[in-house]
Amino acid sequence: QVQLVESGGGVVQPGRSLRLSCAASGFTFSTYGMHWVRQAPGKGLEWVAVIWYDGTNKYYADSVKGRFTISRDNSKNTLYLQMNSLRAEDTAVYYCARDGGYCTSTSCSGWFDPWGQGTLVTVSS
Amino acid sequence: QSVLTQPPSASGTPGQRVTISCSGSSSNIGSHYVYWYQQLPGTAPKLLIYRNNQRPSGVPDRFSGSKSGTSASLAISGLRSEDEADYYCAAWDDNLSGPGVVFGGGTKLTVL
Repeated sequence: QVQLVESGGGVVQPGRSLRLSCAASGFTFSTYGMHWVRQAPGKGLEWVAVIWYDGTNKYYADSVKGRFTISRDNSKNTLYLQMNSLRAEDTAVYYCARDGGYCTSTSCSGWFDPWGQGTLVTVSS
Repeated sequence: QSVLTQPPSASGTPGQRVTISCSGSSSNIGSHYVYWYQQLPGTAPKLLIYRNNQRPSGVPDRFSGSKSGTSASLAISGLRSEDEADYYCAAWDDNLSGPGVVFGGGTKLTVL
């Protein structure tokens, strides 16, 4: 079945880096756009970043622009999120999600299906 | 402050019909499809409605979505206790400073 499994979360000090991974299975990974979405404790959902199916386009939320980098390895069916200069406000559960729609040259969609189970990132000294 | 505006809470009794609104602008809801998600406590969100009013397989027809202009709404009829959850709307946004997906702040639905 279609499945996404995140890994790489943990406790990290402010200013340090962390890389999250999302292993995909059960579908042709190389034909779908992929997203990262996060949720701070007790808060709502916040979109983080998107990458086109072939990696040609990437967009980021203003809150992470310049610090986070989304990437993918279609040969390994894996999505990544490199997080640098981490701040306390980056503490959240991070979900990867497949874009269920069709990404044009300028836009994807807010169609997230499925979602992974999430991985918790805690930024604290 | 979320780009899409939802009421923070909604409630209803079993069997009732409740509606959750989602208000946006011309750069998001006015130009793109709206999606709805249900998040039960302690779990990952689940797609409830896609492309404004389409239900994925497995989602009961008690759930329905609609869109008009720059607003959208999710309706739940025949309310059941298991519908108690957080609900989020989402849409792509053609923000000139950086396009991407925007969410509503979420609506906590309580079944009384």
